Amino acid sequence: QQQVKQSPQSLIVQKGGISIINCAYENTAFDYFPWYQQFPGKGPALLIAIRPDVSEKKEGRFTISFNKSAKQFSLHIMDSQPGDSATYFCAASGRGGADGLTFGKGTHLIIQP
Amino acid sequence: DGGITQSPKYLFRKEGQNVTLSCEQNLNHDAMYWYRQDPGQGLRLIYYSQIVNDFQKGDIAEGYSVSREKKESFPLTVTSAQKNPTAFYLCASQGRTSTDTQYFGPGTRLTVL
Repeated sequence: QQQVKQSPQSLIVQKGGISIINCAYENTAFDYFPWYQQFPGKGPALLIAIRPDVSEKKEGRFTISFNKSAKQFSLHIMDSQPGDSATYFCAASGRGGADGLTFGKGTHLIIQP
Repeated sequence: DGGITQSPKYLFRKEGQNVTLSCEQNLNHDAMYWYRQDPGQGLRLIYYSQIVNDFQKGDIAEGYSVSREKKESFPLTVTSAQKNPTAFYLCASQGRTSTDTQYFGPGTRLTVL
């Protein structure tokens, strides 16, 4: 079964610090790597996504770093705020997600004020 | 939640009963998906449909059935054959192009009594 491995399972960061979540994948056919943010009792919302033709993508305080040779990608949240406290999921798919996404198991992030 | 509605929000089922979860989207998206979320397990793909009257099994389709009679609707039936149906069920949709985002609905929490 194709897998996406996500770490850490939980993370506590001080306000203003950098939150880093890592993911690794196995299937070299994957060509789409989104990150989702989920609050309790809600559906996930797309945060940022990257394709393997670039090594980094930045949107505001959120940055994805992508290492194709290592089959790894990570999410960096700069200047972390208490409102960023949520569960974050990495995902991967071939064909741009058309056949469904394979998710990591999630990281529960807590930003301490 | 990007124009995707799921109902009901909470659903209780007795063992041995079939139950149908509703998913409707007004985004004019071709593709629709059903995922199951369990604590600490991330999201897992149950079924998906890329066009009306056609659908494919995901990673955990056993004990579930779907239909896609209309572009806007993709109901999921949890049958009595599903051994552990208590979970949070999420519906998603995606547009035609590979750059389109996969949007999620607010979810239905199913509890088997």
